[in-house]
Amino acid sequence: TQLLEQSPQFLSIQEGENLTVYCNSSSVFSSLQWYRQEPGEGPVLLVTVVTGGEVKKLKRLTFQFGDARKDSSLHITAAQPGDTGLYLCAGAEAGGTSYGKLTFGQGTILTVHP
Amino acid sequence: DTAVSQTPKYLVTQMGNDKSIKCEQNLGHDTMYWYKQDSKKFLKIMFSYNNKELIINETVPNRFSPKSPDKAHLNLHINSLELGDSAVYFCASSLFNEQFFGPGTRLTVL
Repeated sequence: TQLLEQSPQFLSIQEGENLTVYCNSSSVFSSLQWYRQEPGEGPVLLVTVVTGGEVKKLKRLTFQFGDARKDSSLHITAAQPGDTGLYLCAGAEAGGTSYGKLTFGQGTILTVHP
Repeated sequence: DTAVSQTPKYLVTQMGNDKSIKCEQNLGHDTMYWYKQDSKKFLKIMFSYNNKELIINETVPNRFSPKSPDKAHLNLHINSLELGDSAVYFCASSLFNEQFFGPGTRLTVL
């Protein structure tokens, strides 16, 4: 069973600060995704990273996939209250027969105070 | 024009009852999933169907029975509900690995 360790579990910061969320595993993933979930709603896909070392930017959010495709990070620059939510990383298994199976990290609850 | 919809949004029931949650997607995706999110927000896959065929069945009690009448629908029936079944259940669909989630059904077993 593949596991994803996500840290930190909770993050409470002031508006304008920067932050980084980490997602680590001992397993290799074919791709890794980041989702954001708001209260009362389902997770919404932010980005998919596929290639080892890949970096993707989405406005103030920067996503990186580790060279060995075992880890990923999400960096938010100048956080805003609208960034508040639950952030989830999810890895797709490399090879195997688990069609479309995603393993999720435990999530990071981010609160950005005005 | 909701992409993935679930009904009901909230479900409150007594222990021992049987209940169903319905899911529909209008994205034309071949694969659909059921996930359970516990009180600590951990999201775990339960089942996956591809073109009406069961392809992933995680370690889930056999009181949970999914059913896919067609590739746009995946329902979840739960027999003999237990207190530990209280959680938020999410339906999702995907074309490749990128998944689109429904709004969730919050199940509370009393």
